[in-house]
Order: sequence, then structure tokens, then C-alpha cells
Amino acid sequence: QVQLQQWGAGLLKPSETLSLTCVVNGVSFNDFQWNWIRQSPEKGLEWIGEIKHRGSAKYNPSLQSRVSISVDASKNQFTLKLRSVTAADTAVYYCARGRPGDWGLDYWGQGSLVAVSS
Amino acid sequence: DIVMTQSPLSLPVTPGEPASISCRSNQSLQHSNGYNYLDWYLQKPGQSPQLLIFLASNRASGVPDRISGSGSGTDFTLKISRVEADDVGVYYCMQALQARTFGQGTKVEIK
Repeated sequence: QVQLQQWGAGLLKPSETLSLTCVVNGVSFNDFQWNWIRQSPEKGLEWIGEIKHRGSAKYNPSLQSRVSISVDASKNQFTLKLRSVTAADTAVYYCARGRPGDWGLDYWGQGSLVAVSS
Repeated sequence: DIVMTQSPLSLPVTPGEPASISCRSNQSLQHSNGYNYLDWYLQKPGQSPQLLIFLASNRASGVPDRISGSGSGTDFTLKISRVEADDVGVYYCMQALQARTFGQGTKVEIK
């Protein structure tokens, strides 16, 4: 059974770096795209970026200057870092698996609420 | 950037009746390979989104055949032939042709 379990700090101060990790259980880490998506009342669902097991990443152009996604295939996990956060980065963050050929995001993590407040 | 627009934003439905949601993009989602890179997701209350339809018209595993997707280019539709109580939630379309962007969501609730 495929499971994505995510964790990370839930409360940050402005200018700090958000860091979330997603571990994948029950499936080979290879052959898929590993995504981060966030959801806020203001912006709805917003794609942050994705990475493949070999480490090639793509990012949302609006976040590209502040975001990085890395992968540790030996641990079946991938990590999101978002630098210089502001209140506008307050959201529920999800990790999700993308199938080859862009055939949809078929498994999602449980979501992590990250709040940015001074 | 590709902008996705859904309508309606709210859809009260009667169990047993059909329902339809529209999704439009500001540029064609059809790749040169012929596929339309448009997915549909349902987010049930308190849950993560779940994949319903990929490549405009292909049902994901476990999705009942009363749920279907259609369309090409810039106009897409999600149809539920007979609504059930378990179908309530917010439906999103998402394009995957250039990066990924989501529609605003359509909230489906029982009348």
C-alpha cells in the first residue's frame, strides 16, 4: 500500500526557512515525480514544484527564487525548502506522487499546516 | 502562465440527479502527442485531494464509471451521471501541460 507521510515545523517567523520532508512507503521511489503543493484560502491550490529520483527538479516560476526540492532516494524521501517566508506562505502543504507521463497526482500526503507569524 | 477557470463555483445537487462542472484554460492543453494534459481532483471535507480523471478522460483506479471527463483544447467537463451523498466536496481541474495550475474549485453540496 502506497503511503506518503510528511513532517516539518509548523510555526515559523518571517524570514525563516520552511523545511518539510515526505517519506514514501510501499512503492519504489524510482520512475515517479515527487511533488509539493500548497493550499491557502487566498490562493487555493498552488503547485510548488517536483523532483525525480535522479534529482532533476522543476519549480513554479513564481516561487523559483526561494524554493528548492531535494531527494534522498536511499531513504525514499524528498524535502522541500522555502526561504525567506512571509505571512503569505501560510498554508497547508502537501506532498504528492506524480505518475510517469504526467498521468495525474495519484497519492497525496496528509497535509502539514505551516503558519508564519511574528 | 496557463490560467484555469471553473464554473460554477458552487453547485447544489440532488441525489440521483446528474451534475456537470466546466473547466476552461486560457490556452490549449493539447500536446503535440495528441493528449490533453488536464486532470480532475476531488477534495472531500477534511481530506487531501484525490485523483479522479487524468488526461482529460481517463478514470483513475477505483473511480466509478458514473464519473466521466471529456473535452479537448481549452474546454473540459466533468460529469457525474447520478450524484451520491459521497460525492460532496470541492472539485478541481488542474493543467499539467506547462508546470501545473489549478482551477478555483467547485463546491458540490447536497440540496
